[in-house]
Amino acid sequence: SAVISQKPSRDICQRGTSLTIQCQVDSQVTMMFWYRQQPGQSLTLIATANQGSEATYESGFVIDKFPISRPNLTFSTLTVSNMSPEDSSIYLCSVSGGRWASGSGYEQYFGPGTRLTVT
Amino acid sequence: GQQLNQSPQSMFIQEGEDVSMNCTSSSIFNTWLWYKQDPGEGPVLLIALYKAGELTSNGRLTAQFGITRKDSFLNISASIPSDVGIYFCAGEGGTSYGKLTFGQGTILTVHP
Repeated sequence: SAVISQKPSRDICQRGTSLTIQCQVDSQVTMMFWYRQQPGQSLTLIATANQGSEATYESGFVIDKFPISRPNLTFSTLTVSNMSPEDSSIYLCSVSGGRWASGSGYEQYFGPGTRLTVT
Repeated sequence: GQQLNQSPQSMFIQEGEDVSMNCTSSSIFNTWLWYKQDPGEGPVLLIALYKAGELTSNGRLTAQFGITRKDSFLNISASIPSDVGIYFCAGEGGTSYGKLTFGQGTILTVHP
């Protein structure tokens, strides 16, 4: 499985500011995913980022709020823009591995997450 | 969208006890997954299930893919303190091909 790192590991930010989270993987991967995990909650997919194309956002998430870059096959960034306390969450990136044995979809490996607190 | 209902929400058990948790869905999935998340870490895959009825073990962990493809359970036998964490089920496929839908998680606490 891939080794995934995220920066920063945690941050405390003021409302109205923006934070860019970096995700680096030690091997080339086709798909990278960004998730949000609100306090005490499950993981919710924000968007899928493929190299060379615009990110695909899930319902309830928009590019203006969560712009994503995917400049190459080992790196992606997620920006949380114009933050409010409701954005306080853990933000996780994951990367695709091989196909599941069922042939449907791809294995996903998760980074350690970025814990964001907005005051 | 698709939703997974995971239960129980939390469990407090003594070391050595067995644990069981399950997930149900109104939709079918092609793949059922069980992840564990330790504090300050991302989820780590424990078991992946690919066929309806499949029963798979990984050490003290056993999981099953329900016959209807709408449910799965995870059992942990002879729990130890390092089993503490949050366990998530996740489904892939159905109307969300290639994407993972996560359950709400089960918080496991093991008392020595």
